[in-house]
Amino acid sequence: AQSVAQPEDQVNVAEGNPLTVKCTYSVSGNPYLFWYVQYPNRGLQFLLKYITGDNLVKGSYGFEAEFNKSQTSFHLKKPSALVSDSALYFCAVREYTSTNAGKSTFGDGTTLTVKP
Amino acid sequence: NAGVMQNPRHLVRRRGQEARLRCSPMKGHSHVYWYRQLPEEGLKFMVYLQKENIIDESGMPKERFSAEFPKEGPSILRIQQVVRGDSAAYFCASSLWGDTGELFFGEGSRLTVL
Repeated sequence: AQSVAQPEDQVNVAEGNPLTVKCTYSVSGNPYLFWYVQYPNRGLQFLLKYITGDNLVKGSYGFEAEFNKSQTSFHLKKPSALVSDSALYFCAVREYTSTNAGKSTFGDGTTLTVKP
Repeated sequence: NAGVMQNPRHLVRRRGQEARLRCSPMKGHSHVYWYRQLPEEGLKFMVYLQKENIIDESGMPKERFSAEFPKEGPSILRIQQVVRGDSAAYFCASSLWGDTGELFFGEGSRLTVL
């Protein structure tokens, strides 16, 4: 069974500083990895994904993530945080197998707070 | 190009009533997923459907919950005889591809059971 862990419930950074939101995953085959962001009382919005190829993936709003197969991690990063980045971030994994049929499994989310 | 449309956005039901949540996927998307988000919790998978087929319902409670995605019209998540524990935000998502495609989420339907 596939699973995702986001070890930090909360991440606090100062505006202008780099940020990292951690994610580790577990799958039996090749993972498809995603990051989503959720603002209060809204649906989730897609940020970026890793399917194959370059381990460093660039996405929306200046975010990027690095796929590390040996550490089974897919940490979300941004070189310089903005106050408007404050939101709830979800990591998700998807594994397409004959029994899994492509459902995405989400982590519990990490609340990012960027202080001015 | 409308996104995923969910309605109603807010629904209040008394215990024992039925709740029906509707979801229209993005144009051209044939994969629909329902997730439940309890307060202060993450998203829990409920069911994955394609037109007229339930592909994976491993996250659906065994009783009172059902889902469909008919050939015509929106996908429906139906909760019969609601209880207070059903109070949650229910999100629908659609994708273009069933494996590598990212999910596009609706704004959610927030169910409150009195």
